[in-house]
Amino acid sequence: GENVEQHPSTLSVQEGDSAVIKCTYSDSASNYFPWYKQELGKGPQLIIDIRSNVGEKKDQRIAVTLNKTAKHFSLHITETQPEDSAVYFCAARDGGTYKYIFGTGTRLKVLA
Amino acid sequence: DTAVSQTPKYLVTQMGNDKSIKCEQNLGHDTMYWYKQDSKKFLKIMFSYNNKELIINETVPNRFSPKSPDKAHLNLHINSLELGDSAVYFCASSQVTLNTEAFFGQGTRLTVV
Repeated sequence: GENVEQHPSTLSVQEGDSAVIKCTYSDSASNYFPWYKQELGKGPQLIIDIRSNVGEKKDQRIAVTLNKTAKHFSLHITETQPEDSAVYFCAARDGGTYKYIFGTGTRLKVLA
Repeated sequence: DTAVSQTPKYLVTQMGNDKSIKCEQNLGHDTMYWYKQDSKKFLKIMFSYNNKELIINETVPNRFSPKSPDKAHLNLHINSLELGDSAVYFCASSQVTLNTEAFFGQGTRLTVV
């Protein structure tokens, strides 16, 4: 089955700097890769996603890149703000099942 | 107009008790899930139902029993609660035919004392 690894587990950046979170997956049949943001006391919420037929996607300050050959995908947040502080999860949709397999999470702290 | 709603939000109970968590989605999705998030924030899938049929059943103790009375509802019943069951349980739903994201509820924090 699918396995998703995520790094780093914690990340502190100064306000205005960029943050990058990286994930790798194991199942080459996975074709959908969402990123979630989880704020304290809330459920994970989608912030951006990418499908395997696309290499990059951008939405304002957030971008995601996908390298299918290397089975890597990354989240890039530019011009970080204190409200970006949260736990971020990458996920992969297992192509053979209905599962969303999650990475282990990255706790991002943006320092004002 | 909450998309995925769970009740209760908090649940404190003694070891050995039986408890249920309820979940409802109003998105018209065909698939619902239960995920467990432990103290380290790991999100692990437990069960999934598609159109009321159980399609994913991970290695979960059989004290946990999901039930889906219709495709908008997925409940989780837990028998003989143990200390290690303490966690946050998330319900989610998705429309798998569209290959889009899963929508999550706000979670139920279960504390077994």
